[in-house]
Amino acid sequence: KAGVTQTPRYLIKTRGQQVTLSCSPISGHRSVSWYQQTPGQGLQFLFEYFSETQRNKGNFPGRFSGRQFSNSRSEMNVSTLELGDSALYLCASSPKRVGETQYFGPGTRLLVL
Amino acid sequence: QKEVEQNSGPLSVPEGAIASLNCTYSDRGSQSFFWYRQYSGKSPELIMSIYSNGDKEDGRFTAQLNKASQYVSLLIRDSQPSDSATYLCAVNAYSSASKIIFGSGTRLSIRP
Repeated sequence: KAGVTQTPRYLIKTRGQQVTLSCSPISGHRSVSWYQQTPGQGLQFLFEYFSETQRNKGNFPGRFSGRQFSNSRSEMNVSTLELGDSALYLCASSPKRVGETQYFGPGTRLLVL
Repeated sequence: QKEVEQNSGPLSVPEGAIASLNCTYSDRGSQSFFWYRQYSGKSPELIMSIYSNGDKEDGRFTAQLNKASQYVSLLIRDSQPSDSATYLCAVNAYSSASKIIFGSGTRLSIRP
């Protein structure tokens, strides 16, 4: 069974731009969570989607948004990029709910200049 | 108080010895507990999950959970250089049923 895939793997943007990241979960998995990982803050929860509905959201500004499609693929969007948004963005999927084991994708490394 | 706390390390252990990694959590109602390993520049990969008090063994890895003390640990027996990585403790907090809280990770170094 194929694992979680994320595209693109690397991205360079400038301040003020917006970016969209994509995540395809493991086949059959319906829950997708997004995390931001930085050296200073560690792994921080952004939001979780299940059956196209956002079930929970972390403490991030409204510039961070996401959505999930009927095939469980998910996208996250960051508008008006700031230097501090430079991070590794990780997507994780689980079969039904986040309390079950999550499997991570390889991540998208975003650099904001 | 952080929701999930780990000693950041680095923890240095000689090859062949037992490495002991510890994690405490604040939400007493937490139900699910996970240990992930993350190599530098890579994404986290699941090592163990544990849901009930006691020990759970998988190969060289043993997870231990004590809900009364709000404590979860990971033991790595016969440590190998390939075990050198950052180990992340993760907890599914009862009060936030659809999110998992990660600790900041413990950096483990296995010295030959």
